Amino acid sequence: NAGVTQTPKFRILKIGQSMTLQCTQDMNHNYMYWYRQDPGMGLKLIYYSVGAGITDKGEVPNGYNVSRSTTEDFPLRLELAAPSQTSVYFCASSLQRATLYNEQFFGPGTRLTVL
Amino acid sequence: KNEVEQSPQNLTAQEGEFITINCSYSVGISALHWLQQHPGGGIVSLFMLSSGKKKHGRLIATINIQEKHSSLHITASHPRDSAVYICAVSYSGGGADGLTFGKGTHLIIQP
Repeated sequence: NAGVTQTPKFRILKIGQSMTLQCTQDMNHNYMYWYRQDPGMGLKLIYYSVGAGITDKGEVPNGYNVSRSTTEDFPLRLELAAPSQTSVYFCASSLQRATLYNEQFFGPGTRLTVL
Repeated sequence: KNEVEQSPQNLTAQEGEFITINCSYSVGISALHWLQQHPGGGIVSLFMLSSGKKKHGRLIATINIQEKHSSLHITASHPRDSAVYICAVSYSGGGADGLTFGKGTHLIIQP
């Protein structure tokens, strides 16, 4: 199993551009999450999904959109990129809800810079 | 507000030393996670616990539910243990799914 994979690993965007961060998991997990990690700060939840067709906002959803058309894929869309979105983005998945006693598996991260 | 506090933020020690990293949280949880993030950036799960103590090799994690406190210990530390150690919790109450993370402890073990 590849686990959780993310593409791209690195990206530089200009202000106002848009892009999609890809996330795929092959563990048949229902629950998937997008977090961002800023220097000196803990990871923050952007969006999460409890299954195909179901998504919900986390702590910092502004400026992002997600979709979940399949169990495997959970892309994160940035529209009108802003410098405040410069961060490292991690996708994660788990078999059950994070609120239960349940391990999360993380992707390798995407380092995004907005100039 | 549900918060997770870690200490110390930075820790430099000599090879062989016993290391302790602390984590405290503010409200009831269903589980506490200890994660490791290497310089390359990847995050791996070390422990997940809701009570007592867990041991894996030279790593030991403990949790005191009454005091809302957990510790991660590393015995006979080695330079390869150098990484950021992150405490995260999953809350048993309502609200968004997902983990709430501490800011991490940056550990450097010098040879």
